[in-house]
Amino acid sequence: DQQVKQNSPSLSVQEGRISILNCDYTNSMFDYFLWYKKYPAEGPTFLISISSIKDKNEDGRFTVFLNKSAKHLSLHIVPSQPGDSAVYFCAASKGTYKYIFGTGTRLKVLA
Amino acid sequence: EPEVTQTPSHQVTQMGQEVILRCVPISNHLYFYWYRQILGQKVEFLVSFYNNEISEKSEIFDDQFSVERPDGSNFTLKIRSTKLEDSAMYFCASIGRPNEKLFFGSGTQLSVL
Repeated sequence: DQQVKQNSPSLSVQEGRISILNCDYTNSMFDYFLWYKKYPAEGPTFLISISSIKDKNEDGRFTVFLNKSAKHLSLHIVPSQPGDSAVYFCAASKGTYKYIFGTGTRLKVLA
Repeated sequence: EPEVTQTPSHQVTQMGQEVILRCVPISNHLYFYWYRQILGQKVEFLVSFYNNEISEKSEIFDDQFSVERPDGSNFTLKIRSTKLEDSAMYFCASIGRPNEKLFFGSGTQLSVL
């Protein structure tokens, strides 16, 4: 089930710079998108979400952009901090019964 | 913030044995989920549960798997006869209403020997 893809398995960014994590999806029926952060041996932690009726949502250092025509969403983290180093998953849903996760991008923020 | 609680945090079992993974979702939530993550891989959907029945399940969720909400607070995942490939981190999650963020528990690491 490859409906949600994160094509970059890893990303390294200098502290203070912008981190941009990307996610592509194939199902145009998805109407809700989320980003999660995950540390090893812990459950995913919610970061930010966006409904398909919007194209941008911002929460502090985190901004999610949705481009429905390209079926693409991205997460921007500005400024990046060493504590942001983790694996980031995007997820998408239509209705409530199934949230599909991408393969994850490991972000490393270098001090 | 309210939490989803999972027990045990680690479970080691022999191949062919039955295991039950337990979850206490957030108290006013109505939709419940099980996901799993094999080491280093994606977070995979297993099953969703609403109104005391399975809403949707993945191809992973075969006849060896079952879910139950035995009372008003617990939500369990049973694997009847474990296989080596069932070794993974299993996450329970819940939401209160449609198009909300999923709240995840901290997971149960299942090791099948």
